[in-house]
Amino acid sequence: ETGVTQTPRHLVMGMTNKKSLKCEQHLGHNAMYWYKQSAKKPLELMFVYNFKEQTENNSVPSRFSPECPNSSHLFLHLHTLQPEDSALYLCASSQGSTSGGSTDTQYFGPGTRLTVL
Amino acid sequence: GNSVTQMEGPVTLSEEAFLTINCTYTATGYPSLFWYVQYPGEGLQLLLKATKADDKGSNKGFEATYRKETTSFHLEKGSVQVSDSAVYFCALSNRGSYIPTFGRGTSLIVHP
Repeated sequence: ETGVTQTPRHLVMGMTNKKSLKCEQHLGHNAMYWYKQSAKKPLELMFVYNFKEQTENNSVPSRFSPECPNSSHLFLHLHTLQPEDSALYLCASSQGSTSGGSTDTQYFGPGTRLTVL
Repeated sequence: GNSVTQMEGPVTLSEEAFLTINCTYTATGYPSLFWYVQYPGEGLQLLLKATKADDKGSNKGFEATYRKETTSFHLEKGSVQVSDSAVYFCALSNRGSYIPTFGRGTSLIVHP
């Protein structure tokens, strides 16, 4: 496989469930990102990891818990979610801080469509 | 801080019409500028980029020129196709940062 893959593509969960989203990149990148995309709202950066270290947490509620075990894998652990958390969750990767930064292209996965009942 | 402003959508055009999607930005220094496209059911993908003033990015018939004097990076295409229907995102990255700032996105609908 190439590029950035995300599983599952669709997820329906109850408010009391615990689930995890998985992202894998095959591009040799050092930085990985979680975004939330809701209808009628701007793309929302949630978390950033660079060389497996979390460098950004944009005031995300603690019911979302990221994990980056290595530079190729990124997880988003979900528990006690609310219906307003229903959205498309996008993972992305880029070269990260060693590349000189500002010309980095982000490579996105296809997203996980999450519905919280 | 950084910000990117895009025109409100949706933009609705007939096939073969000329497309312009406006994008202006606020940033310190000399950012790199990007256009990403999101087709239905997919993630975003890079369409084109420009890394310094007066650079022109181009891809698949789309073009955008980095205008520092007007802090703009407008996307243009001379003749759109139905397959260009998608959401287009303008973005910037400042020097020293690999984390981009995205605009809100502009939906383009092209009718046959």
